[in-house]
Amino acid sequence: DSGVTQTPKHLITATGQRVTLRCSPRSGDLSVYWYQQSLDQGLQFLIQYYNGEERAKGNILERFSAQQFPDLHSELNLSSLELGDSALYFCASSHSQGAGTEAFFGQGTRLTVV
Amino acid sequence: GQQVMQIPQYQHVQEGEDFTTYCNSSTTLSNIQWYKQRPGGHPVFLIQLVKSGEVKKQKRLTFQFGEAKKNSSLHITATQTTDVGTYFCAGPGYGGSQGNLIFGKGTKLSVKP
Repeated sequence: DSGVTQTPKHLITATGQRVTLRCSPRSGDLSVYWYQQSLDQGLQFLIQYYNGEERAKGNILERFSAQQFPDLHSELNLSSLELGDSALYFCASSHSQGAGTEAFFGQGTRLTVV
Repeated sequence: GQQVMQIPQYQHVQEGEDFTTYCNSSTTLSNIQWYKQRPGGHPVFLIQLVKSGEVKKQKRLTFQFGEAKKNSSLHITATQTTDVGTYFCAGPGYGGSQGNLIFGKGTKLSVKP
């Protein structure tokens, strides 16, 4: 158990809909990262938050947004969903804001858009 | 932008054979990390390399960081079925202490008993 909790584990929704994925980082970790993993693809970095503030942005679509709350949990909002958004979405946390420390991954949320 | 390339994409070995995956960056890295993702699982941190030319071992796994800090490798000696999974390398997105981890596409290892 990595200590990072993601909910829900599975999500099936229709095209055009909006969903929210939730992540609770490890106790004491201030950084939260979101990654998208499509079938047989690597981990595509979406966005990073550190202590409530956005720190780095990757190839995140405009239809996607995220935030980190004062209690440090984070939510990833995906709207106007398309079939191609079907993927495994991972949240990871680390203690520092930089990339020099180990990242702990949650179990992921498998999103299926039908 | 920062890119981390990893080869091969797939590797099929007989149990007992060795396995190596290579990671190359387009820019100098301050550090590189390796993760393993078992089928159906999530990435799990294996190790971090920081120094130029650094070599670290974990039982049958040997990790190397190139002298120029632009490449790295993971070598597994005498693979076992428990080694099955995808191995990812990851480097800092902005070459320094800021930013995020940029992952290679991974090498998927299958081991035939």
